[in-house]
Amino acid sequence: SYEVTQPPSVSVSPGQTASISCSGDKLINKYACWYQQKPGQSPVLVIYQDNKRPSGIPERFSGSNSGNTATLTISGTQAMDEADYYCQAWDSRIVVFGGGTKLTVL
Amino acid sequence: EVQVVESGGGLVKPGGSLRLSCAASGFTFSSYTMNWVRQAPGKGLEWVSSISSSNTYIYYADSMEGRFTISRDNAKNSLDLQMNSLRAEDTAVYYCGRGTITMVRGVIRHWYFDLWGRGTLVTVSS
Repeated sequence: SYEVTQPPSVSVSPGQTASISCSGDKLINKYACWYQQKPGQSPVLVIYQDNKRPSGIPERFSGSNSGNTATLTISGTQAMDEADYYCQAWDSRIVVFGGGTKLTVL
Repeated sequence: EVQVVESGGGLVKPGGSLRLSCAASGFTFSSYTMNWVRQAPGKGLEWVSSISSSNTYIYYADSMEGRFTISRDNAKNSLDLQMNSLRAEDTAVYYCGRGTITMVRGVIRHWYFDLWGRGTLVTVSS
């Protein structure tokens, strides 16, 4: 079955750019999306269809997908962006989530 | 207000059954896919099941196939998940999610969740 892999953790300094990767076989042939989940809260969609932002999501969130890797980029990272981030893709008849990446803003 | 609200969680013994419900409001329920995603304590998100807007497509994760049944009632704006033969490893917060699909040349290329509920906790323990 299809799998996508994320690094368990990423650290970034406030104001810097954070990049979170999501790797899967020929992921470029699928669309990727990303969810943000803060402690004790439900997930929130931040990127869909590789690089589209839902309304209400700040412009500092962007996404890309190339080859075997999709990337979530947060420019000018703020303390409020500290959260778990999950990538997700669709493969044939199943929804696939990555294991999640804990973003720490130091 | 656009929202989905889950209910029906609780404590159940191994081998038992539970039925979760999700009430939707503030949007045209019949135009969206509906989905269940769960999260075990301290763990990541795990997809459970999805159903398309008119019941054309129904999918389950392998570990739930045969034990869980998803259903929807577009007239009542409601989504259900019937869970049978529950195991300790089914213990999790179960989220209801509104979904959108992207079709390319008649094939589903993207299925994502743009609205989530607060979740309902299911605990399977003796």
